[in-house]
Amino acid sequence: QMTQSPYSLSASVGDRVTITCRASQTISSFLNWYQQKPGKAPKLLIYSVSTLQSGVPSRFSGSGSGTHFTLSISSLQPEDFATYYCQQGYSDPITFGGGTKVEIK
Amino acid sequence: QVTLKESGPVLVKPTETLTLTCTVPGFSLTNARMAVSWIRQPPGKALEWLAHIFSNDRKSYTTSLKSRLTLSKDTSKSQVVLIMTNMDPVDTATYYCARSPLYCSGDSCYSNEIDFWGQGTLVTVSS
Repeated sequence: QMTQSPYSLSASVGDRVTITCRASQTISSFLNWYQQKPGKAPKLLIYSVSTLQSGVPSRFSGSGSGTHFTLSISSLQPEDFATYYCQQGYSDPITFGGGTKVEIK
Repeated sequence: QVTLKESGPVLVKPTETLTLTCTVPGFSLTNARMAVSWIRQPPGKALEWLAHIFSNDRKSYTTSLKSRLTLSKDTSKSQVVLIMTNMDPVDTATYYCARSPLYCSGDSCYSNEIDFWGQGTLVTVSS
């Protein structure tokens, strides 16, 4: 089971934002992050904890190990307002976190 | 670049069986080192992984729906088919198919991230 926090947050352009994801058991480094905008399919941002998917801006970063992981956005941009999901790929069944909605303050 | 496209009915009645097809043109579902997943998202809610099938035909299903789900491949058409029985209004959702690369060592393979997604298809369950 993957637990994300916060459920939602309000932030301004230029803010640093951090989202947390906790696994109910160790998942090694099999932790991935996705961004989803309304009406669109999710987009892979980061895989294996900290590897940026091709084309993803460097203001996104990931860290963590074992059961505790974070996604950070160093300077929030207008296009970053979206919902973010973590996902574990360590063992079947694959599971997603409940999502964190990042809204404009 | 991998393109995936879901197809199937937009409306099903309660108790009916849903059949969804994911087409992955240009890729051999047997030879390409990839897994194809089905993931759904009820309106306004979070993503829920349903099942995946590897290129070596290994399959896995989410525990809560395992008795209702069946995955199969039609390699000649580059298609993965998901069957979900006994549909209920709570199954109303956008259904996505998506791809994961496989990481293999000898005959042992595993997946991790999901790197390409279809656009999704909204399925409504209503009488």
